[in-house]
Formats: sequence, structure tokens, C-alpha cells
Amino acid sequence: NAGVTQTPKFQVLKTGQSMTLQCAQDMNHNSMYWYRQDPGMGLRLIYYSASEGTTDKGEVPNGYNVSRLNKREFSLRLESAAPSQTSVYFCASSEYQDYGYTFGSGTRLTVV
Amino acid sequence: LAKTTQPISMDSYEGQEVNITCSHNNIATNDYITWYQQFPSQGPRFIIQGYKTKVTNEVASLFIPADRKSSTLSLPRVSLSDTAVYYCLAFDDKIIFGKGTRLHILP
Repeated sequence: NAGVTQTPKFQVLKTGQSMTLQCAQDMNHNSMYWYRQDPGMGLRLIYYSASEGTTDKGEVPNGYNVSRLNKREFSLRLESAAPSQTSVYFCASSEYQDYGYTFGSGTRLTVV
Repeated sequence: LAKTTQPISMDSYEGQEVNITCSHNNIATNDYITWYQQFPSQGPRFIIQGYKTKVTNEVASLFIPADRKSSTLSLPRVSLSDTAVYYCLAFDDKIIFGKGTRLHILP
């Protein structure tokens, strides 16, 4: 049982480059989320998808876009990476919005 | 927007019971309280969730008073491996993690 799988695990980008972070869950969960975590900080919500076909902004959506491709997959895109987007990105899913989340192992992104 | 407040850090010793209290003064009637644990370089892990009174599982207990303006996570007989960051969340339609409580267990 894989749970939540994120790819890639590590990535280095140059300023201005674009990339997509992939997330897939195999638990048939309805809701999916993208967070970022900076050193010594808590997690900040970027975007979430309460159910297939819907997406909403979180606390820090600027510079990001998301796609809920199907019930399993929720991707995060950086169109023009900036050094301020250097962070660890976590994807999570839950059966319902008010129930316990399952997190992936994270993607460590460095923008130089 | 339900916002939580918890201590930034705590130290304890192996074998002790640790209680971490979280304040959520503006919690809404339908909000649940959820606690997560995060080890370095890993994603947070769900520990326990409750609505009122007391909830217990194999890992922890959660105490919620009648007014629900606070909650206490209780970890019985902690070990070195319980050193982690613990987050308290009160459900909102945009799930907000604060900075959590950095728990350091000493031998």
C-alpha cells in the first residue's frame, strides 16, 4: 500500500525555469492538498482540492498553479521558479476534509 | 478561521508523561481537533482526532474540555523516538498548520 507518492524527491531549478510536481494517492481519497515547508517553519497550504474537479487557493498560492487530473492525481506547477520558492513541498490526501490526512514524503526543491 | 496557539518547544525525559496544550478560542461548532507528528525530513503523520471529552488510541490521548477552547495531547511514557514536532489543528475549510511544538525528549 503506497499511500501518497510524490515525484521527484529532489529537484534543482534555475530562476525562471518551470516544472511540475506530481502527486498520486491510491487510497481513493476525495481531497488532496499541497503544502510547502520552509526551514524551522510549519506547513503552509498552497492549494487544495476538496473533490475531483475542484481546486481552491490556500494561504500562499501566488506563483503556483494546480491541476486535479483525476481522483488519484493532483499536480503542482511552478511556471517561473524564483529563489523564494526554495522549500520542501508536501502533498497530502484525506477521505474527507475534516479527517486525518496522509502525507507524502516530500519534494525538496532548490531554486538557484 | 479557527487559529491555534501552542507552545513553541518543550523538553521532557524518557519515561515521563508529556502533555501539550493547544488553544483554539475561535473554534466553530462543527470543527474537529486533530494532532499530527512530524519527524525531520518526513511528512506529518496523523496521531489523533477528537470533537469533545476524551479520545484514546494506541499512541496518545486527547482531552477536550466542554467549552472546546483548548485541547491537550497526552503522550504516555515517552521515549527518545518521540522527539518530533507536534501540530494541533482545528478544522477549517482551509486546513492551517501553525509552527507546532518542538518536543525534545532527553535520556
